[in-house]
Amino acid sequence: SQELEQSPQSLIVQEGKNLTINCTSSKTLYGLYWYKQKYGEGLIFLMMLQKGGEEKSHEKITAKLDEKKQQSSLHITASQPSHAGIYLCGAVSGGYQKVTFGIGTKLQVIP
Amino acid sequence: EPEVTQTPSHQVTQMGQEVILRCVPISNHLYFYWYRQILGQKVEFLVSFYNNEISEKSEIFDDQFSVERPDGSNFTLKIRSTKLEDSAMYFCASKLGRSTSGAEQFFGPGTRLTVL
Repeated sequence: SQELEQSPQSLIVQEGKNLTINCTSSKTLYGLYWYKQKYGEGLIFLMMLQKGGEEKSHEKITAKLDEKKQQSSLHITASQPSHAGIYLCGAVSGGYQKVTFGIGTKLQVIP
Repeated sequence: EPEVTQTPSHQVTQMGQEVILRCVPISNHLYFYWYRQILGQKVEFLVSFYNNEISEKSEIFDDQFSVERPDGSNFTLKIRSTKLEDSAMYFCASKLGRSTSGAEQFFGPGTRLTVL
C-alpha cells in the first residue's frame, strides 16, 4: 500500500516568512492533492498535481510535483496568520481514485 | 460556489445503536466517497461509490457499514451497530470525473460521531 511521509510534522514561523512543506511517497504518484484543514474541521482543497514537474500556484501558495513523481513540496510565500492550519497531502490511487493521506503538517504563524 | 454538505455536524449515540450520516454531494458529480478521521490520526478511506454501486472499499468498511444514494442527491453512510472505536470525524467527498479537468475531489465539512 502507498505511504506518504510529510515533513516537518510541525512548523512555527514568524508572519512574513517563507516556508516549505514536503510530502514523500513510497510509490510513484499519479495524482497528488494538497488540502488545508483547521483542527476538527473539514478539508479545503488547495491544489491537485498530476504531471511530473508540474507546478501550480494559488495566491501565495505554490505546489510542485517532482519529475520522478515521488515527492511534492508546498511553498508559502510571506506567510500570514490566515495560513495557519494543518496541511495534508493525499495520493490518488486505484481505478476509482481514492485518496491516501499523510499525517499532516501543523503550521502556526506568529504575528 | 457549489459545495459538499453534510448533516448532522455532530451526532452523539449510544454503543450498539444505528446511525445514518448524510451527505449532499456537488450536483453534477459522479464519484462519491466516505472517509473518516479518528482524532489526531490520518484521514482514512472507507468506500467509493460510482454508478449506484460500491466501487472500492477498505478493510475498515466491514458488514456494519453500508452506503446508499437513495434519491439522486443524497449519499448516506449507515453504521448498523456502533462501537466505541467508530467515534471519529466522517467526511463525504465527491468529484466530477476521472479526466484531468474533473479529477479534483471536494470534501464536506464532516460529521463528528461520538459513541458513548
